[in-house]
Amino acid sequence: EAGVAQSPRYKIIEKRQSVAFWCNPISGHATLYWYQQILGQGPKLLIQFQNNGVVDDSQLPKDRFSAERLKGVDSTLKIQPAKLEDSAVYLCASSLRAANYGYTFGSGTRLTVV
Amino acid sequence: DAKTTQPTSMDCAEGRAANLPCNHSTISGNEYVYWYRQIHSQGPQYIIHGLKNNETNEMASLIITEDRKSSTLILPHATLRDTAVYYCIVRVDGGTASKLTFGTGTRLQVTL
Repeated sequence: EAGVAQSPRYKIIEKRQSVAFWCNPISGHATLYWYQQILGQGPKLLIQFQNNGVVDDSQLPKDRFSAERLKGVDSTLKIQPAKLEDSAVYLCASSLRAANYGYTFGSGTRLTVV
Repeated sequence: DAKTTQPTSMDCAEGRAANLPCNHSTISGNEYVYWYRQIHSQGPQYIIHGLKNNETNEMASLIITEDRKSSTLILPHATLRDTAVYYCIVRVDGGTASKLTFGTGTRLQVTL
């Protein structure tokens, strides 16, 4: 079974620039999550999709972050404009159904904002 | 969500059992205990979960006290590849609102 694919693996941008991350979940997984992990901390949930609908985006800074999951498969997370404090690893995860076990995470995108 | 308390770090000799404790004194009756781990530069990986009974799988064992206020994850024969951050999470399962909330976890260092 192929895992959760994320790209790019690394990204360095200047503050105020925009950036986008892509996630391809495991085939058939209806639930998709984006997490932000700042160095030394545990991952923090940004947004949760069930198929192509948003279930929870309460922790998403909506003035600069946006996410979409068209057709209920791939997902894109965008930051515009980026701030220095957005430097983090952005992790995508998927699960067959909305359950707390069986999450499969991708390896993440490491973003550095300079 | 019930709050969990874990030691910041632990060491374990290779080949020995690693016992990782977790306190969750405010856990409610319908909340499960989940364990995930995160190896350096990778995303978190599911290990095991349980409600009230002890659980075992190919990766680990989970021992939950009778009052459910604490639990222990046991890696029976730790190897260098088990060096990782281990997260204990308490959460209600099921439904579209199910989501994992990670704390800072326990950093386990397995040494020769």
